Formats: sequence, structure tokens, C-alpha cells
Amino acid sequence: AQKVTQAQTEISVVEKEDVTLDCVYETRDTTYYLFWYKQPPSGELVFLIRRNSFDEQNEISGRYSWNFQKSTSSFNFTITASQVVDSAVYFCALSAVMNSGYSTLTFGKGTMLLVSP
Amino acid sequence: NAGVTQTPKFQVLKTGQSMTLQCAQDMNHNSMYWYRQDPGMGLRLIYYSASEGTTDKGEVPNGYNVSRLNKREFSLRLESAAPSQTSVYFCASGGVAGETDTQYFGPGTRLTVL
Repeated sequence: AQKVTQAQTEISVVEKEDVTLDCVYETRDTTYYLFWYKQPPSGELVFLIRRNSFDEQNEISGRYSWNFQKSTSSFNFTITASQVVDSAVYFCALSAVMNSGYSTLTFGKGTMLLVSP
Repeated sequence: NAGVTQTPKFQVLKTGQSMTLQCAQDMNHNSMYWYRQDPGMGLRLIYYSASEGTTDKGEVPNGYNVSRLNKREFSLRLESAAPSQTSVYFCASGGVAGETDTQYFGPGTRLTVL
């Protein structure tokens, strides 16, 4: 069965620090997808990135970067020069093929990031 | 383009009452999903609908029913609410049935069962 582990329950940093959120996954699928979502204090879930298992290139989007390493089953998320607006709960998710044959997502329990001024 | 909308935003029920949570999407997505979010538990899938006319159970379906009314709408019904169903409920939609596509979420419904 698919499983996503976000071992860091809560991280506190001071503005401008870099921070890395860890995500480790387990799957038997040979093709799968990994996702990160952000949930700010307002409560909505915001999609950040989707990565397929064949693409191990790191990705950078502004202050955000993602490191996908198939060898260690990890898909870590780094925020460079953190800002107060980055304070949120971040979820890592993994695609899962259900018994019906259709795919859905399995989520980790989330990491709460608190950035203080 | 509203994306995914959910009603109501908040609801308080007494044990044993019933209610239906409504969800609609205007992105022409085939797949729709219902999740619940509890503190420290992440999001857990209740039911999903890969396409109009189909629904399937997720990880935590007990106590819930769903209806895929049409391509746009997917409702979640609690027939006899229990305190254990106190949670935040999220509806999501995704692109193509049977394929792994990005899911886009509604704003959530905060439900309290007394």
C-alpha cells in the first residue's frame, strides 16, 4: 500500500532562513506521481507542484525548489529566504491506484511551517 | 471561473441529524473527490467519482454516501451524524478519469457534530 511520511510535524524558522521540508514515500507502482500542496492559515489547499516518477530533475520556482531522489524515495521541498507569508501547513502526496483501477492521492500528515519576523 | 465551490462553509449538527454537503466545479473535470481533514491526520479520502455515473469508496467511507449528480456536482451525505464525523471536509476535482492528474480543492466545510 502507498504511504507518505512527513516526519517533521512542525518547523519554526526566522525570516530569511532557508528551510527544507522532508517527504518520504512508499509505493509498489513503477509509475507514480508526487505532489506538494500548501494550506495557509485561511484553510484552503493550494497546489504547488506535480512530478512524475520518470523525471528526477530538480525543479526551481522562485524561492521554491524540489529535490526528487528515487533512490531514497524522497521528494523534499526547500524554501529559500523564507518569508512570513510562507507560514502554512505543507502536504506531500503520492498517487495511488485504487481497487477500481482508478488513481487518487495518498497524503502525508503535513508539516506546519512557522516563519517569524 | 470559480474553480471548486462548496456549501455550506460552516455547519453545526446534533447527533443523529442528517445533512448534505454540496460541491460543484466549473473546470470540466471528470473526476471528483471528498476528503476529510482531522488534526494530525492529513487528508483522508472518503469517496471519489472517476467519471459521471461512477462512485467508489475511499479510505474512510463508513457513515457517508455520495451522489454524482452530473459532471459538475458531487454531493456528500451524512445520514445520521456522529461526533466522530466532526471534521473539515474538502471537495476536489481533477482532470481525466483514470489518470493521475492534479486535484484542485474547494475552500472546505467545517462541520461540528454535538
